[in-house]
Amino acid sequence: DAKTTQPPSMDCAEGRAANLPCNHSTISGNEYVYWYRQIHSQGPQYIIHGLKNNETNEMASLIITEDRKSSTLILPHATLRDTAVYYCIVRVGNQGGKLIFGQGTELSVKP
Amino acid sequence: NAGVTQTPKFQVLKTGQSMTLQCAQDMNHEYMSWYRQDPGMGLRLIHYSVGAGITDQGEVPNGYNVSRSTTEDFPLRLLSAAPSQTSVYFCASSSVGGTYEQFFGPGTRLTVL
Repeated sequence: DAKTTQPPSMDCAEGRAANLPCNHSTISGNEYVYWYRQIHSQGPQYIIHGLKNNETNEMASLIITEDRKSSTLILPHATLRDTAVYYCIVRVGNQGGKLIFGQGTELSVKP
Repeated sequence: NAGVTQTPKFQVLKTGQSMTLQCAQDMNHEYMSWYRQDPGMGLRLIHYSVGAGITDQGEVPNGYNVSRSTTEDFPLRLLSAAPSQTSVYFCASSSVGGTYEQFFGPGTRLTVL
């Protein structure tokens, strides 16, 4: 699985958009980009994933560059409850059960 | 529908003791995994299973055994506990197809003295 690089921490004002970047320059053609988050000490929670097209769901949007070497997770209107560690993970799509986590980005949403 | 359940929530062991961390899921998921998370670190994959009777090693398998005799259960065995195994352990499951989203349990906090 390709490795990912994320900034260790970011701040965001409540109500503003949070844009979390991720570099995955060695991604292969059959690898997807997944995002999970971990609030406090709970188990991680799935947010969104994509292959090459931009994706949106009720939680977030995922923007993947055309060359697929980087992506951005967007939380459109961050709330205090979005304070968490966000993990960007690259893996082959059908390899369920196997996630290789990096260090993630600790997002602090401030009032 | 309880999702992924883990027992116990907390456990203290002495060095050299053995124990089994329990994990169960009621979503009929094929895939199940065990991760450990040390303070300030991301999760690391210990073992995973793609179905009953099939298991494989992850990033940090040493000192741990697993087996998968049923779809629902995936216990993790510590053979001879060491202080380096002090960690929070998470179990997860996911289905074949769709998003392959992994659902995580609440975790077991293990301290080895």
